[in-house]
Amino acid sequence: DIQMTQSPSSLSASVGDRVTITCRASQTIFNYLNWYQQKPGKAPKLLIYAASTLQRGVPSRFSGSGSGTDFTLAISSLQPEDFATYYCQQSYSSLFTFGPGTKLDIK
Amino acid sequence: QVTLKESGPALVRPTQTLTLTCTFSGFSLTTSGMRLAWIRQPPGKALEWLARIDWNNDQFYSTSLKTRLTISKDTSKNQVVLTMTNMGPVDTATYYCTRESPLSAAAIYTVDVWGPGTTVTVSS
Repeated sequence: DIQMTQSPSSLSASVGDRVTITCRASQTIFNYLNWYQQKPGKAPKLLIYAASTLQRGVPSRFSGSGSGTDFTLAISSLQPEDFATYYCQQSYSSLFTFGPGTKLDIK
Repeated sequence: QVTLKESGPALVRPTQTLTLTCTFSGFSLTTSGMRLAWIRQPPGKALEWLARIDWNNDQFYSTSLKTRLTISKDTSKNQVVLTMTNMGPVDTATYYCTRESPLSAAAIYTVDVWGPGTTVTVSS
């Protein structure tokens, strides 16, 4: 199975900050990489698919980049509603796998 | 509007078999390329992909859980059923029904719709 790792596991930041989260795959997944945001008690929400394509309705302050094994999610200017947990997921293999998550909280 | 809704027992005894049903609307699982999958999340932990069934009835299972899982569909009822045998306390989690769709031109599949989840506790 393809293993996914994320760093950092947690991150404290302030409103207006720019933050980046990295995700690494155990083998090349080309651009078969998706990012999700999850708030407490809620189902995850798709933010970015195919490594860099913003899902409809997602604010443009979110961006994704990378290919192969290394990927990045960036949030350009944090808003209060962005404090959540973020997961990457590979969809290259028939068996999807998720990263362990990055919890973003308010400093 | 596409919706998914999970249903099943909130409490399961150890060693029992869990049966979860996903009832969906707004799309057909007979449409070429459509897929439904189950994902779970133990309290305070990460998401874990469990199983998937495709429009053509192909089935895929998590490597670590495949001996315990069965996924099936009833297209006439717009339902997908997941069974998990020999439940234990570590299986306590919120179980999500999800739709996988090829959103990009390159047909990269993504989980684009999630059900609200159903919480299952395994305890005697």
